[in-house]
Amino acid sequence: GNSVTQMEGPVTLSEEAFLTINCTYTATGYPSLFWYVQYPGEGLQLLLKATKADDKGSNKGFEATYRKETTSFHLEKGSVQVSDSAVYFCALRNNAGNMLTFGGGTRLMVKP
Amino acid sequence: NAGVTQTPKFRILKIGQSMTLQCAQDMNHNYMYWYRQDPGMGLKLIYYSVGAGITDKGEVPNGYNVSRSTTEDFPLRLELAAPSQTSVYFCASTPRGGGGRETQYFGPGTRLLVL
Repeated sequence: GNSVTQMEGPVTLSEEAFLTINCTYTATGYPSLFWYVQYPGEGLQLLLKATKADDKGSNKGFEATYRKETTSFHLEKGSVQVSDSAVYFCALRNNAGNMLTFGGGTRLMVKP
Repeated sequence: NAGVTQTPKFRILKIGQSMTLQCAQDMNHNYMYWYRQDPGMGLKLIYYSVGAGITDKGEVPNGYNVSRSTTEDFPLRLELAAPSQTSVYFCASTPRGGGGRETQYFGPGTRLLVL
């Protein structure tokens, strides 16, 4: 079956530090990959996505590249801000399916 | 455009009570989903629907029921609340379910505490 593994948090960084949140997956076929963000007290919002190998998703300074050879979709940002403090979820969806499979989430805390 | 709305935002139930979590979307999406999020965990799919009159089980359906009488509404029913159902519940929708590229739009969540 499908599975998504994320690095455990919390990740604590100072403002303007470089961020990497690791995500690896197991899936049959060629899934689409997603990063969702959940700000405190809110629902999940799509941050970025990639639908095929070597695609790079990007949004709000965040980037992730779909690496089929390493089955990874690591999230990166060059300079984090306090407002980026949230929980980040990696997810996949098989192209033939209707369901998202989520990782356990990684809490990011950015200090001024 | 309200997107996906959920009510209530928070509810405390006693063991054995029943309740319905409401979810509605105004985007004319065909596919709708219910997830639960336990503390420190990712989301797990409870039920989903591919259109009015059609529902199917997800990963953790036990203890829940759903119905889809209209495109807009997808209520989740708990018949006999148990402490294990303490969680945050999220409803989501997509225009279509196939192709794997569709973005899921999430509601703000309902926090449920069963005591």
